[in-house]
Amino acid sequence: GESVGLHLPTLSVQEGDNSIINCAYSNSASDYFIWYKQESGKGPQFIIDIRSNMDKRQGQRVTVLLNKTVKHLSLQIAATQPGDSAVYFCAENLTGANSKLTFGKGITLSVRP
Amino acid sequence: GAVVSQHPSRVICKSGTSVKIECRSLDFQATTMFWYRQFPKQSLMLMATSNEGSKATYEQGVEKDKFLINHASLTLSTLTVTSAHPEDSSFYICSAPRASGGAGTQYFGPGTRLLVL
Repeated sequence: GESVGLHLPTLSVQEGDNSIINCAYSNSASDYFIWYKQESGKGPQFIIDIRSNMDKRQGQRVTVLLNKTVKHLSLQIAATQPGDSAVYFCAENLTGANSKLTFGKGITLSVRP
Repeated sequence: GAVVSQHPSRVICKSGTSVKIECRSLDFQATTMFWYRQFPKQSLMLMATSNEGSKATYEQGVEKDKFLINHASLTLSTLTVTSAHPEDSSFYICSAPRASGGAGTQYFGPGTRLLVL
């Protein structure tokens, strides 16, 4: 059977709207954070990263915000498109820890046409 | 284009058999590769770190005798699921950092879907 809490939460947005995906990370010592996009049946794809000495970083249509005080990371996607529909994971890394990444639980983004 | 490949992309096997999954870095050398397992609707869980020229490092709770890892060369790591059982059915994903210590340049393979009957 399935256990409560193991299913990925879903965020449903209208095409063209902005999306905000949130993540709580676990290790206060982590100093590098990455957002990945995973489409069904595929491996994770790098979206954007941010180091702990920054609180905001922008890419093309995406922005990552980092709040170290509350160990919170968010991904903002502007003008969400159907192709953005996927599962999004945040990952944290402690520099020097042999590049090991710890992944968050993930959120499913569903874009309504 | 893809910089990390996996083979096979999917495999179905009978319970009790062993299955080998290959992970290759296509245009760069990787002294370290990582193996993850992902169950449906769940996140990626790191299983082990594959080290070229030395033994793999396994995460807590992962049986090293069940999941054999061999980092045969600077571009190839293999994961062998020995005596596979239905509970081993999962999506196995490898990754490789492109530069030493550079987590951001870690490239993921397309994954291998394993179904054990």
